[in-house]
Amino acid sequence: GAVVSQHPSRVICKSGTSVKIECRSLDFQATTMFWYRQFPKQSLMLMATSNEGSKATYEQGVEKDKFLINHASLTLSTLTVTSAHPEDSSFYICSARIAGGARRNEQFFGPGTRLTVL
Amino acid sequence: AQRVTQPEKLLSVFKGAPVELKCNYSYSGSPELFWYVQYSRQRLQLLLRHISRESIKGFTADLNKGETSFHLKKPFAQEEDSAMYYCALLDYGQNFVFGPGTRLSVLP
Repeated sequence: GAVVSQHPSRVICKSGTSVKIECRSLDFQATTMFWYRQFPKQSLMLMATSNEGSKATYEQGVEKDKFLINHASLTLSTLTVTSAHPEDSSFYICSARIAGGARRNEQFFGPGTRLTVL
Repeated sequence: AQRVTQPEKLLSVFKGAPVELKCNYSYSGSPELFWYVQYSRQRLQLLLRHISRESIKGFTADLNKGETSFHLKKPFAQEEDSAMYYCALLDYGQNFVFGPGTRLSVLP
């Protein structure tokens, strides 16, 4: 149980276009989802925290108008990279947290989405 | 501020040798610490958390508040242990702060 999926797994787009990445919790409800960015051979950097039904909380230095996050339901959060540029090319990973129970605070990670902006 | 450090970017050991991946943290209060592992071409997954005191795949980690450390240990490394290991701390806002990671390479 506790599987998180991401779609697409890989996307290549032209500079200036927008790209939407979906993150779904498949067999549990996630009131909180997280979006990370991972550069090659580096650690995960938290971009934002999204709570179902409310606005996302962005980390310092992350442009909220560029990285739009929507957490419309308890199983789906989306990250839209608007007007993408080559420097946005990265590996984007989402995770979802189980709210309670024995596995509380445990985060389950999606497989990631490789974004390449030409 | 909360911070997690992992001093070794790369650690190579021979199969059967003991392995210790170091993790130190800075945090005011009672920390909740985790080790996550990322095998090649796979997603990040939880290896163990200090509150459960489990041994997973032969790995253990003890929280040492005096030394602010949470080192990951295994007495006999296996080739399948080769992976990227991240130490993480759960902060006040219930967000994870990840260390930079250590790539473990277990040589045959």
